[in-house]
Amino acid sequence: DAMVIQNPRYQVTQFGKPVTLSCSQTLNHNVMYWYQQKSSQAPKLLFHYYDKDFNNEADTPDNFQSRRPNTSFCFLDIRSPGLGDAAMYLCATSRDRTRRAGEETQYFGPGTRLLVL
Amino acid sequence: AQSVTQLDSQVPVFEEAPVELRCNYSSSVSVYLFWYVQYPNQGLQLLLKYLSGSTLVKGINGFEAEFNKSQTSFHLRKPSVHISDTAEYFCAVSDGEGLTGGGNKLTFGTGTQLKVEL
Repeated sequence: DAMVIQNPRYQVTQFGKPVTLSCSQTLNHNVMYWYQQKSSQAPKLLFHYYDKDFNNEADTPDNFQSRRPNTSFCFLDIRSPGLGDAAMYLCATSRDRTRRAGEETQYFGPGTRLLVL
Repeated sequence: AQSVTQLDSQVPVFEEAPVELRCNYSSSVSVYLFWYVQYPNQGLQLLLKYLSGSTLVKGINGFEAEFNKSQTSFHLRKPSVHISDTAEYFCAVSDGEGLTGGGNKLTFGTGTQLKVEL
């Protein structure tokens, strides 16, 4: 089945120690997104890729970076994790068409829960 | 900017009873509406979406939602819930334009925890 895969499902890191979360997809979608979801809150878009074009949300901290080496893979790098970065990180994909991009369904992976000690 | 309000943070209901989860959104010229479900420690799964046409939208697992433009609402309903429906439900909105750099920005509500009890 076509899907969105995130590894690892749980990640423990130390305060200030860089960490990378990974996402892969077999849907061949050209758009990939990273969301941060804190406990009992709505998912919040951090950034997204349209093909290889990176698009950052205005309020995403510089501490968060991303890489997309090819269509299938996308990485979220947190350069110096703080306690406030503990959250569930969700990767999603969508197929973008030139028109009516707003109606496309986003397909989510199972998420990576990050714990910062 | 779009916004979504889910007034009920938790909704307890007995099994086989009907349920309605409320969602209101900020008005926009054109808007698309989505309901996602999130089971514990899992990602979000699409239940249904409204793009245009009939205001009553049917989704998976027996859920349906009704788009009401005058009330800017998109409430989710199920006539008879099951224990397996226990999960968090998120309403989301996107506008017709999509993101400047391509793609689609979803604005989510804060979620409603549905707890189905025996």
